[in-house]
Amino acid sequence: GAGVSQTPSNKVTEKGKYVELRCDPISGHTALYWYRQSLGQGPEFLIYFQGTGAADDSGLPNDRFFAVRPEGSVSTLKIQRTERGDSAVYLCASSPTTGFGEQFFGPGTRLTVL
Amino acid sequence: AQSVTQPDIHITVSEGASLELRCNYSYGATPYLFWYVQSPGQGLQLLLKYFSGDTLVQGIKGFEAEFKRSQSSFNLRKPSVHWSDAAEYFCAVAPSGTASKLTFGTGTRLQVTL
Repeated sequence: GAGVSQTPSNKVTEKGKYVELRCDPISGHTALYWYRQSLGQGPEFLIYFQGTGAADDSGLPNDRFFAVRPEGSVSTLKIQRTERGDSAVYLCASSPTTGFGEQFFGPGTRLTVL
Repeated sequence: AQSVTQPDIHITVSEGASLELRCNYSYGATPYLFWYVQSPGQGLQLLLKYFSGDTLVQGIKGFEAEFKRSQSSFNLRKPSVHWSDAAEYFCAVAPSGTASKLTFGTGTRLQVTL
């Protein structure tokens, strides 16, 4: 299909470990977004990219979280020294552009930190 | 800071009955407004959006929403619910001028009885 894909779909890790979550946006979409959805909550904005640069990273909770999009397509969300509170579903979305572009969401990566 | 309130955590309706899901927002100016639906195992899907103009907006799957500035509300409605509408519904806002940074409500889970 031509939708947003995220890998892995599930990730279980131990406290203190490093994890990477990958997002493949819809081809040609210039804007890419990361959200985090905790149990029973709505998605919470983390960061968005316009092209290769992070246009707004104000939602990243602390410096353990980092995201890259080196070629303006695939993005990786990186979490260092994971904590149990990081357990959530991490959602990625893309849009043709910012502004009026609808955000198309992927199915998410469920991260569980033991 | 902008915020979104969905006062109903869980709603149950009979198939064929009408539906209204409430959404109130807090924002200094008129934001962009959205309704998304999330089915189990599915990504978030946009039902409809309001940017400006006619305050009654039509969306997919027979849904509509009405923006009421005086009440800071953007309630979602459907005249006749189908069993397949059972899902989680999220209202979201973004600053006017950009749809890049969505702020979501906590969601309303809709159950449909036959």
